[in-house]
Amino acid sequence: GNSVTQMEGPVTLSEEAFLTINCTYTATGYPSLFWYVQYPGEGLQLLLKATKADDKGSNKGFEATYRKETTSFHLEKGSVQVSDSAVYFCALSDQNAGGTSYGKLTFGQGTILTVHP
Amino acid sequence: DAGITQSPRHKVTETGTPVTLRCHQTENHRYMYWYRQDPGHGLRLIHYSYGVKDTDKGEVSDGYSVSRSKTEDFLLTLESATSSQTSVYFCAISEPQGIWTEAFFGQGTRLTVV
Repeated sequence: GNSVTQMEGPVTLSEEAFLTINCTYTATGYPSLFWYVQYPGEGLQLLLKATKADDKGSNKGFEATYRKETTSFHLEKGSVQVSDSAVYFCALSDQNAGGTSYGKLTFGQGTILTVHP
Repeated sequence: DAGITQSPRHKVTETGTPVTLRCHQTENHRYMYWYRQDPGHGLRLIHYSYGVKDTDKGEVSDGYSVSRSKTEDFLLTLESATSSQTSVYFCAISEPQGIWTEAFFGQGTRLTVV
């Protein structure tokens, strides 16, 4: 079955530091890959996505590249802010080939990011 | 924000009692899901629905049942709550967009079984 592994957390950084959160996956075929973010007390929000190999998803200064050869989708940001403090989840979904995937998501365990001023 | 309302937002219940959580959407999305969030496990799929009265099991479905009698409502029932079902429960909705699907999440229900 599908699985997602994220780097162990929590991660604590100073403002303006560089961020990398590693994510690797196991899946058959060609899944779509996502990063979701959860702010305190809230539900998850889609941060970025990539649907095929070598695609780069980007949003709010965050980036991640779909690397099929290494089955990875690492999240990066060049300069973090205090407002980026949240829990970050890597996730995958089988693609809708034949309409049978139903958008079910498999998540990594989440990485808590804390950014200090 | 996607129109998803979960109720209740917080609940404390006793072991052995039945509990029903409700998810209501105003987006007319076809797919609906229930996930649970536990430390060290991320979110795990309990059940999902791909249409009215069409539901199926997810990864951690034991002890849970669901029903979807209308497009907008998806109910999760714990038949006889146990302490291992203490968790935060999230409802999500989605509508296919070509080869991928974006899920929108509710704000969660924190359930404590004592």
